[in-house]
Amino acid sequence: DTEVTQTPKHLVMGMTNKKSLKCEQHMGHRAMYWYKQKAKKPPELMFVYSYEKLSINESVPSRFSPECPNSSLLNLHLHALQPEDSALYLCASSQAQGLAAYNEQFFGPGTRLTVL
Amino acid sequence: EDQVTQSPEALRLQEGESSSLNCSYTVSGLRGLFWYRQDPGKGPEFLFTLYSAGEEKEKERLKATLTKKESFLHITAPKPEDSATYLCAVQASQVNFGNEKLTFGTGTRLTIIP
Repeated sequence: DTEVTQTPKHLVMGMTNKKSLKCEQHMGHRAMYWYKQKAKKPPELMFVYSYEKLSINESVPSRFSPECPNSSLLNLHLHALQPEDSALYLCASSQAQGLAAYNEQFFGPGTRLTVL
Repeated sequence: EDQVTQSPEALRLQEGESSSLNCSYTVSGLRGLFWYRQDPGKGPEFLFTLYSAGEEKEKERLKATLTKKESFLHITAPKPEDSATYLCAVQASQVNFGNEKLTFGTGTRLTIIP
């Protein structure tokens, strides 16, 4: 099973709202990722968790707050977003072994976020 | 800094007309090169991983090859359902804990005309 699931599929929120995106995988992967993708652009890395610890934060604004409650789940908490944050948010997972991860990342279907 | 350049940006082919997509890369030691297919509004779908120069992988009408500077995705006798954006990504071989970062190219938008 190479499935990564994400909920919700679509989300519309106002700039004062607080919402969360959820991601789940059951492939035994110990590295999980959040990406942001704008139309006709490649995915842009936001955060990486390795063994449930935050290992990469690509200078993402604090209005995005990631959380990895366990090895299968990844959340992205959203607060006080701006209209320019509207995008497709993708979760991915991969093997993470030893001191460095390797192998392919498997992506979820994404959450289409619209900030009004 | 790792860099990935894909060409062409867009490609329109007649059904059955074979062609190749190019991915040129500059990386400080290649750990892996990955090809993905992405349909509009959906997440990227994994296609291939290539690890060393000379390696080739095939899946249905697609064949990926790798040299020390570039990778090609060859598509043979394409069908309309092959229309998608094809993304190439590289991972460097830096041995740092948590260094699972991929560097993506901007993709090639492939359209197959019936």
